[in-house]
Amino acid sequence: DVKVTQSSRYLVKRTGEKVFLECVQDMDHENMFWYRQDPGLGLRLIYFSYDVKMKEKGDIPEGYSVSREKKERFSLILESASTNQTSMYLCASRTGTRNSPLHFGNGTRLTVT
Amino acid sequence: KNQVEQSPQSLIILEGKNCTLQCNYTVSPFSNLRWYKQDTGRGPVSLTIMTFSENTKSNGRYTATLDADTKQSSLHITASQLSDSASYICVVTFASGGYQKVTFGTGTKLQVIP
Repeated sequence: DVKVTQSSRYLVKRTGEKVFLECVQDMDHENMFWYRQDPGLGLRLIYFSYDVKMKEKGDIPEGYSVSREKKERFSLILESASTNQTSMYLCASRTGTRNSPLHFGNGTRLTVT
Repeated sequence: KNQVEQSPQSLIILEGKNCTLQCNYTVSPFSNLRWYKQDTGRGPVSLTIMTFSENTKSNGRYTATLDADTKQSSLHITASQLSDSASYICVVTFASGGYQKVTFGTGTKLQVIP
């Protein structure tokens, strides 16, 4: 079974702090994604990566950056956390095969105070 | 604009009863449609995939249908169990700029009560 592991289940940070969310997958998947999930809005794509050191902006990249130095690891960075970034963050991975499913981690609930 | 709309937003049913969840989409060009189940505190897990040529597909007590002409899909749950309590998310994949991109519905929250 594919395992996507997010390093923290819950995080509480202060406004202005730099925040790192880490995600590791164990199935050698080429593609990795960061989403945020908010009630009534569904999942929204922040950034994605199709290869090591490669990144593409998703639908809501403002205020975020990412890093993919190794194939199995995809990090989301909040350079200066703000209260409107309080959310559930979900990491996902998938193979490059057409129609392959997304495999999600269990999420990190981030609260910015 | 590519959109996926689900109904109802929430649903409460008695254990053992059947239910049907709906998904309408305006995504184009269509590649596939997946239903995901998201248990509370967990990430979504894929239940089934529907491609353009498929009308119906079953996965145990879950049966998904697809009408590509009307751009509608449904997920039917038979003989519901307490463990079916979860959010069900419809996800449509489309081709854009050489990539496969996805659009998520906002989900239907199902509660199965004894």
